Amino acid sequence: AQSVTQPDIHITVSEGASLELRCNYSYGATPYLFWYVQSPGQGLQLLLKYFSGDTLVQGIKGFEAEFKRSQSSFNLRKPSVHWSDAAEYFCAVGPARSNDYKLSFGAGTTVTVRA
Amino acid sequence: NAGVTQTPKFRVLKTGQSMTLLCAQDMNHEYMYWYRQDPGMGLRLIHYSVGEGTTAKGEVPDGYNVSRLKKQNFLLGLESAAPSQTSVYFCASRNREGTGELFFGEGSRLTVL
Repeated sequence: AQSVTQPDIHITVSEGASLELRCNYSYGATPYLFWYVQSPGQGLQLLLKYFSGDTLVQGIKGFEAEFKRSQSSFNLRKPSVHWSDAAEYFCAVGPARSNDYKLSFGAGTTVTVRA
Repeated sequence: NAGVTQTPKFRVLKTGQSMTLLCAQDMNHEYMYWYRQDPGMGLRLIHYSVGEGTTAKGEVPDGYNVSRLKKQNFLLGLESAAPSQTSVYFCASRNREGTGELFFGEGSRLTVL
């Protein structure tokens, strides 16, 4: 069964500092991997995704993530955080080839940005 | 572009009442999903559909029913609401092909008293 673990429930970071959010997954083969962001009271917006090729993927809002097969990880990074990055972030995993497609989400990491 | 639209956005129910949440998508997506979001638990899949007229159970289907009579609509029903169903509900859809990205609605906040 596929599963996702986000070890950090809450992270506080200063504006302008770097940010890294951890994501570990469990899946039998190479999955599709996603990071979504949810601002307060909003739905989920896709930040970036990995499905093949270059293991370092670029997303919107200056985010990037690196797929490391050996570590079953897909960590999200941003070099310099802006106050508007305060939100909840979800990592998700789905099967690369399946007609019965279900995406599994981690519990989320809440990011607080301090001035 | 409307994308995925959920109605209603807010609802308060009394225990034992019934209600239906409607999800509509205008992207001609084959797959549709209902998730619930609870603090510290992320999103958990309730039911999903891989095509018109088909539905399947997710992780937490008990107490919910769904129907997909039209390709663009996916309804989530609560026949007898319980306080444990107080949550934020998200509908999502995706295309059969492609890389599996889900498109989400803005959520429906349900409170059961």
